Amino acid sequence: DIQMTQSPSSLSASVGDRVTIACRASQGISNFLAWYQQKPGKVPKLLIYAASALHSGVPSRFSGSGFGTDFTLTISSLQPEDVAAYYCQQYNSAPLTFGGGTKVEIK
Amino acid sequence: EVQLVQSGAEVTKPGESLKISCKGSGYSFSSYWLGWVRQMPGKGLEWMGIIYPGDSDTRYSPSFQGQVTISADKSIDTAYLQWSSLKASDTAMYYCARLLFFGESFSAFEIWGQGTMVTVSS
Repeated sequence: DIQMTQSPSSLSASVGDRVTIACRASQGISNFLAWYQQKPGKVPKLLIYAASALHSGVPSRFSGSGFGTDFTLTISSLQPEDVAAYYCQQYNSAPLTFGGGTKVEIK
Repeated sequence: EVQLVQSGAEVTKPGESLKISCKGSGYSFSSYWLGWVRQMPGKGLEWMGIIYPGDSDTRYSPSFQGQVTISADKSIDTAYLQWSSLKASDTAMYYCARLLFFGESFSAFEIWGQGTMVTVSS
């Protein structure tokens, strides 16, 4: 199985800050990577697929980058409504594994 | 509107069997792979497996193979997740989710059901 490791596991930042979350795959996955946002008590929501493609309706302050084993999710200007857990997921090969998640809070 | 509607919360006892459902609407149910994701209390997301309702081709995560059965009835646009003998460790929220691209088995999950909470307790 491909292991997905996210860092940090949690972070606290101020409104307007630039926030970066890292995701590393245990082997190369090309660009077959998605990012999800899960607000407290809510259903996960797709933010980004193919490492950098913004899903329909997702605010442009979210962006993704990376290829192979190292990927990042960036929030260019953190907003209060961005408080959530964020998960990466590889879909290069089965089982399609998720990272452990990163909790983002407002300082 | 494309949506997935899951069956309601369940409270069951260890050793009992259970089948939960996920009904799709607003799209061609038979033509998109659909998966199940487990989220244990306070924990992250786990990919359990996927099914193609058109021909019931199914893929399981090794972690869940033999522990659950994924099935679908394309005549009523409904997928299922079932257990034959539940354990306390099966207590979790279970989500169904449709994959992003038509006909592709390896893809991101685009449309999510609202989740079904399964509680297993004696």
